[in-house]
Amino acid sequence: SYVLTQPPSLSVAPGQTARITCGGNNIGSTSLHWYQHKPGQAPVVVVYEDSDRPSGIPERFAGSNSGNTATLTISRVEAGDEADYYCQVWDISSDHVVFGGGTKLTVL
Amino acid sequence: QVQLVQSGAEVKKPGASVKVSCRASGHTFSTYDINWVRQATGQGLEWMGWVNPNTGNTGYAQKFQGRVTMTRNTSISIAYMELSSLRSEDTAVYYCARSVPAATGSWFDPWGQGTLVTVSS
Repeated sequence: SYVLTQPPSLSVAPGQTARITCGGNNIGSTSLHWYQHKPGQAPVVVVYEDSDRPSGIPERFAGSNSGNTATLTISRVEAGDEADYYCQVWDISSDHVVFGGGTKLTVL
Repeated sequence: QVQLVQSGAEVKKPGASVKVSCRASGHTFSTYDINWVRQATGQGLEWMGWVNPNTGNTGYAQKFQGRVTMTRNTSISIAYMELSSLRSEDTAVYYCARSVPAATGSWFDPWGQGTLVTVSS
């Protein structure tokens, strides 16, 4: 089955840039989406179709996807960005949705 | 505003079944698939499957085949997820989410608020 690999954790100081990666075989050939998940809340999509932002999501959130790696970049990190972030694709070969293992972003 | 509202928390004994509901409002219920995703404590998001509200067609993750049933009632815009033969490892928060078609596959927006299912003897 298709596997998406994320770093388990990332720590960033306020005002700095966080880059969360999501690795997968030829991941750049498929649509990739990112979710922010805070404790006790429902997940929220922050980037869809590799690099599009839903309305209401700040421009500080940006996505890219090429080759074997997708990246979620959060600029000028704020305390409110502290959350778990998950990447997600549809694996055509298995007709299954696949989530990455998640990255816990800590704002120092 | 599109909204998904789920049923309340459940406590079940091992071997029992649980049925979680997801009521949709703010959009045409039959237009978008409803997916189910769960998160066990301390674990990541795990996809369980989908139901097409228009046709009733379903697709399940291999892990849950034979144990999960996803249905819908279009007259009241509710999707259901029933999981049987519960075990302690099924203790988790269960989410429903609306599928939005993408160039390949789909993404999920919005999500329900989550339903905690606890399996304990």
